[in-house]
Amino acid sequence: GAVVSQHPSWVICKSGTSVKIECRSLDFQATTMFWYRQFPKQSLMLMATSNEGSKATYEQGVEKDKFLINHASLTLSTLTVTSAHPEDSSFYICSARARADNEQFFGPGTRLTVL
Amino acid sequence: AQRVTQPEKLLSVFKGAPVELKCNYSYSGSPELFWYVQYSRQRLQLLLRHISRESIKGFTADLNKGETSFHLKKPFAQEEDSAMYYCALQSGGSYIPTFGRGTSLIVHP
Repeated sequence: GAVVSQHPSWVICKSGTSVKIECRSLDFQATTMFWYRQFPKQSLMLMATSNEGSKATYEQGVEKDKFLINHASLTLSTLTVTSAHPEDSSFYICSARARADNEQFFGPGTRLTVL
Repeated sequence: AQRVTQPEKLLSVFKGAPVELKCNYSYSGSPELFWYVQYSRQRLQLLLRHISRESIKGFTADLNKGETSFHLKKPFAQEEDSAMYYCALQSGGSYIPTFGRGTSLIVHP
């Protein structure tokens, strides 16, 4: 089946620094990638939808200047958390989809801890 | 606006008992519905989608447009079915997914 990787799997950073998370589709071309945030024992919160070669579409309440998303190729999307604060600590998950009517393939997630 | 409701946060059953995880949706058009599963310490993965009409790991789900439901069922639960189950709806021109809050299924021995 299709595989999506995320790197790093966990990161600890100081408040005020920026952190970049990579999401790669390893064996298929992803026209669309999604970024989610998952809080403990809660559902997935869609943060943004990223289409290759175009600007990401952010969900209501998600600051686009804080969560920078780049989808430069059909196999790579990056999420940069700028000027991270402790409240940004969370589990970030990406998913990738080859076509609009396909299912999503999920990455393993990245645990971000901001001190 | 599209919405997915999973009324049960937790469902606890004994091995061999039937299981039904509820999912209701609201969407005015023709929805595409999915069930995703997340086992402990694993990533989310697709369990089944309504258009495929398959039975995966003994689970089935039927789309009921009249009741706007897509409940997940299994006649005899197994311990390895213990996981978090998410119902998701994907529709419209942009096919943006909407997830329910998830139901934690615990199957006791």
